[in-house]
Amino acid sequence: QKEVEQDPGPLSVPEGAIVSLNCTYSNSAFQYFMWYRQYSRKGPELLMYTYSSGNKEDGRFTAQVDKSSKYISLFIRDSQPSDSATYLCAMTPGSYIPTFGRGTSLIVHP
Amino acid sequence: GAVVSQHPSRVICKSGTSVKIECRSLDFQATTMFWYRQFPKQSLMLMATSNEGSKATYEQGVEKDKFLINHASLTLSTLTVTSAHPEDSSFYICSAPGTGGSYEQYFGPGTRLTVT
Repeated sequence: QKEVEQDPGPLSVPEGAIVSLNCTYSNSAFQYFMWYRQYSRKGPELLMYTYSSGNKEDGRFTAQVDKSSKYISLFIRDSQPSDSATYLCAMTPGSYIPTFGRGTSLIVHP
Repeated sequence: GAVVSQHPSRVICKSGTSVKIECRSLDFQATTMFWYRQFPKQSLMLMATSNEGSKATYEQGVEKDKFLINHASLTLSTLTVTSAHPEDSSFYICSAPGTGGSYEQYFGPGTRLTVT
């Protein structure tokens, strides 16, 4: 079993839909949780960063962490075609070297 | 936010030749940088940690004699793929850790290496 599991998709949704992206993990030591967005042939860019359990909202994006279930989610409201990208979750117990999921490919079609 | 650049963005080389990839932190100093490899539809795989002024730390299974890393200054790390083979074709990405106590990383735009 991998430390971080993420469905690679692709996930195809119509413009305006609410998108839910998820990761599960097995290492209970993970404390810091991140979501990165990666456009094709580009490096990842940090979207959201949370510590421990709870929710964090930033514009149309909401990150949710449930440590009891070892489950994290990223919600995108009012999705746009420009949101089409690969979304990678990442997590770390407290070092600068996170463990990444394989990424979920999201396609938002007009 | 912090900016990390990579050069070149794309390179094609013949089997047996060596290729150097540069990673620069443009508006901050990075004593540590990370090198990742990413195959299509796969996750980022950490190859090595580059440390300014000392030897790089390689992940298990990564050949240090094949992937030479030099952290020449506080803003520059280089990865040299020596005697490249077609199986080395991949997307290579560098990153530098953020500041301020967070654990985010700032990634470069990546280098697409194709070995023919």
